[in-house]
Amino acid sequence: KAGVTQTPRYLIKTRGQQVTLSCSPISGHRSVSWYQQTPGQGLQFLFEYFSETQRNKGNFPGRFSGRQFSNSRSEMNVSTLELGDSALYLCASRREVNSNQPQHFGDGTRLSIL
Amino acid sequence: QQQVKQSPQSLIVQKGGISIINCAYENTAFDYFPWYQQFPGKGPALLIAIRPDVSEKKEGRFTISFNKSAKQFSLHIMDSQPGDSATYFCAAVPTKGDMRFGAGTRLTVKP
Repeated sequence: KAGVTQTPRYLIKTRGQQVTLSCSPISGHRSVSWYQQTPGQGLQFLFEYFSETQRNKGNFPGRFSGRQFSNSRSEMNVSTLELGDSALYLCASRREVNSNQPQHFGDGTRLSIL
Repeated sequence: QQQVKQSPQSLIVQKGGISIINCAYENTAFDYFPWYQQFPGKGPALLIAIRPDVSEKKEGRFTISFNKSAKQFSLHIMDSQPGDSATYFCAAVPTKGDMRFGAGTRLTVKP
């Protein structure tokens, strides 16, 4: 069974640009969450999508947005990139939006802002 | 925002020793407590998890101990091996809302 797939694995952008990251969940998983991981702040929750609807949102500015498609695949967009957006962006999926459902992570997209 | 506090920040253990990582949480409305293991260049991988109605769960060399009254839980790695060297994250999943992570513990197992 394939795991969570994130593309691309690495990305280099400059300040002011925008970027779109993609996530394909495990087959049968309908919930997709996004996290930002940095050495200083650790793992921080961005948002969670289920059935194409955002179900939960973390404390990030509106420059960070996402969407989910009918096949459960999800994309995350960051506009007007800042140096501080350099991070590992992780996607996680689970079957349902229930607290007893474990989340499974992809290997992330490493985003570097120059 | 509810916090999950994890300690120590880093841990060095000799091969064959016991690694112990501790976490404490501040809110009682958590339903599920997973531990994740992360190797460099990889995403966190679910290692073991426990529900608050259970005091201990063991899977191979990995054991979670849970103390509901103290709002603490810990990960014990028995017979630690160099291949266990990784960063470990505890987490708490609330009834509603996002999963809260500890800051992580970098474990180094020396041969």
